[in-house]
Amino acid sequence: SQTIHQWPATLVQPVGSPLSLECTVEGTSNPNLYWYRQAAGRGLQLLFYSVGIGQISSEVPQNLSASRPQDRQFILSSKKLLLSDSGFYLCAWSLGLSYNEQFFGPGTRLTVL
Amino acid sequence: DAKTTQPPSMDCAEGRAANLPCNHSTISGNEYVYWYRQIHSQGPQYIIHGLKNNETNEMASLIITEDRKSSTLILPHATLRDTAVYYCIVRSNAGNMLTFGGGTRLMVKP
Repeated sequence: SQTIHQWPATLVQPVGSPLSLECTVEGTSNPNLYWYRQAAGRGLQLLFYSVGIGQISSEVPQNLSASRPQDRQFILSSKKLLLSDSGFYLCAWSLGLSYNEQFFGPGTRLTVL
Repeated sequence: DAKTTQPPSMDCAEGRAANLPCNHSTISGNEYVYWYRQIHSQGPQYIIHGLKNNETNEMASLIITEDRKSSTLILPHATLRDTAVYYCIVRSNAGNMLTFGGGTRLMVKP
């Protein structure tokens, strides 16, 4: 069976510090991978998606970036965090067909102080 | 993307059916309706999806109107653990992404 892992579960970082959140998927090959952010009390916002190694599409311009160094690894990064980067970050995967459901990881709660 | 409209909150008594409505009046012919839910501080959980026929699984039933402009998610016997935010989503035909709106916060009360 497939599983998706995210770490860390919670993170408190000062403004201006770097960020690296990691997501890995097990039990499947060549998944589509996604990063979402959920601000407090709001719906999910798609940040990045990837259909393969080294392929990243950005949905929202911001100071975050994503990378996919391996087939089942997806990393969300920032060089300098802003207060507005606080939120709940979710990684998800899906198979390549257009109408398959997405499966979400447990999320990382990031607080920028 | 076709947009969806959901009531921001609903209450339901434990053991009763919870009927969550969703309007998607601009849905395209090849777009599916998906339902996810998110329990506090967890990732969203897939519930069900459909195109035009009614669907049922172990979690819920999905009723889609004949004109496909609205749908209803039915939890037949709501429990306290069903308290969550329920998202109705129309799948973008430009890719695999899901666009989440505000959802409906369902509170199941004893």
